[in-house]
Amino acid sequence: DQQVKQNSPSLSVQEGRISILNCDYTNSMFDYFLWYKKYPAEGPTFLISISSIKDKNEDGRFTVFLNKSAKHLSLHIVPSQPGDSAVYFCAANAGGTSYGKLTFGQGTILTVHP
Amino acid sequence: GAGVSQTPSNKVTEKGKYVELRCDPISGHTALYWYRQSLGQGPEFLIYFQGTGAADDSGLPNDRFFAVRPEGSVSTLKIQRTERGDSAVYLCASSPLPGPADTQYFGPGTRLTVL
Repeated sequence: DQQVKQNSPSLSVQEGRISILNCDYTNSMFDYFLWYKKYPAEGPTFLISISSIKDKNEDGRFTVFLNKSAKHLSLHIVPSQPGDSAVYFCAANAGGTSYGKLTFGQGTILTVHP
Repeated sequence: GAGVSQTPSNKVTEKGKYVELRCDPISGHTALYWYRQSLGQGPEFLIYFQGTGAADDSGLPNDRFFAVRPEGSVSTLKIQRTERGDSAVYLCASSPLPGPADTQYFGPGTRLTVL
C-alpha cells in the first residue's frame, strides 16, 4: 500500500529551464510534507518542507506547492542547474504523532543537461 | 561538524548469518531513526528511538530484526538469520528533537547484500 507516490521515475530538463516534480498521497492524516534530495552513495538531504496549513513555501530556487483537496504536491526548481541532478524523494508525516516518522515516495531521478 | 556516520558502508553475508549495522548520530541529537531502502524504492521506516527507548518499532518487518540504543547515542540494528530479501541499503537518521518539523540528517547508509 503505497501511501506516497511519485509516478514519474525520471525527468530530464535543460539547464536554465523549470523542473517540476510531482507527488501524490492517499493518507488524509498526513499534514507535513518534505522533499529530500539524494546523490549516489550519500544519504538523503533535506531540501524544503510545507505544512498543510499553507499552500506554498519558497526557498531560493525551490518552491513547493500543496493542493490538499487533490492530495498532491509539487516541487518547482527554477532555474534548473546541472548540480541539481539527483534523486528527489517526496515524504510525508502524519498528524497526531509527536515525532518525525516519515513515509517516502519511490523517488524521481532528475537529470539537468547543460 | 561531523554528520551521521554508519558502519560498515558495505556488508556481504550469507543467508542465515547474523549481522550488526552501526549508526553514530550527530552529537546531542535525541531522536534517531532507522529506514530501509530497497532497489528502486524510497526509504521505508523501521524504528524510532527517543533517547534510549524505542518509541516506535512498528516498521520492523519481523522478529529477526532488533535495534538498540543503550546510551542514547550510538544505535545498532541487528538482523538474525538473514534472508536474501533483507538485501537493501539501511539508512540511519538523527534529529535534534523528535518533531516532524525537525530536520532529519541521514547517514550514507550501509549496503547489505545477502547471498
